[in-house]
Amino acid sequence: DTGVSQDPRHKITKRGQNVTFRCDPISEHNRLYWYRQTLGQGPEFLTYFQNEAQLEKSRLLSDRFSAERPKGSFSTLEIQRTEQGDSAMYLCASSSGQGDEKLFFGSGTQLSVL
Amino acid sequence: AQKITQTQPGMFVQEKEAVTLDCTYDTSDPSYGLFWYKQPSSGEMIFLIYQGSYDQQNATEGRYSLNFQKARKSANLVISASQLGDSAMYFCAMREPYTGGFKTIFGAGTRLFVKA
Repeated sequence: DTGVSQDPRHKITKRGQNVTFRCDPISEHNRLYWYRQTLGQGPEFLTYFQNEAQLEKSRLLSDRFSAERPKGSFSTLEIQRTEQGDSAMYLCASSSGQGDEKLFFGSGTQLSVL
Repeated sequence: AQKITQTQPGMFVQEKEAVTLDCTYDTSDPSYGLFWYKQPSSGEMIFLIYQGSYDQQNATEGRYSLNFQKARKSANLVISASQLGDSAMYFCAMREPYTGGFKTIFGAGTRLFVKA
């Protein structure tokens, strides 16, 4: 069990640029979640995958955000035409789909949009 | 509508004393789960404890216990014998079903400071 890994840990970009983040969940977990967290707030749900299927996407999420999970393994989150308001920590979590459904989180990707 | 409410932005506790962190929730579904997570300054979210809506007994995990009052829709976290390493953000969360599976939503958090 190597845990959930996210890459990169930090990303600094200029407004208007596109960015992509990667998440590798725990290998036997079939559920994968993306959250966004701003300073002093709780994680805000963005989207959820069961295997390769994206089953839920937050209605608050702009069309500039897109996520994929090809083959039900790793996932990518892309933000197009970044804005300063996109600056946040992007957290990925996975769960086994059994029992209590507790989430295992990665260390996150800290995005700063200048 | 806010589904998870944590009314204490910050709490102080003396080392070795017990502390209660409050959480209330709102759901119309009879089947749900309640969680507490800890987020130290390093940033990684750590699972602490889980309570299912049908569980009759309050959950306990070492020094952590969850005071589950279903009728009042509250799920308070009790930390006994506080340690300096308990200083962190604490988030209450709820897993509820929706079309397609489950979703876990989080409260705004409580920052706990443990004093020596």
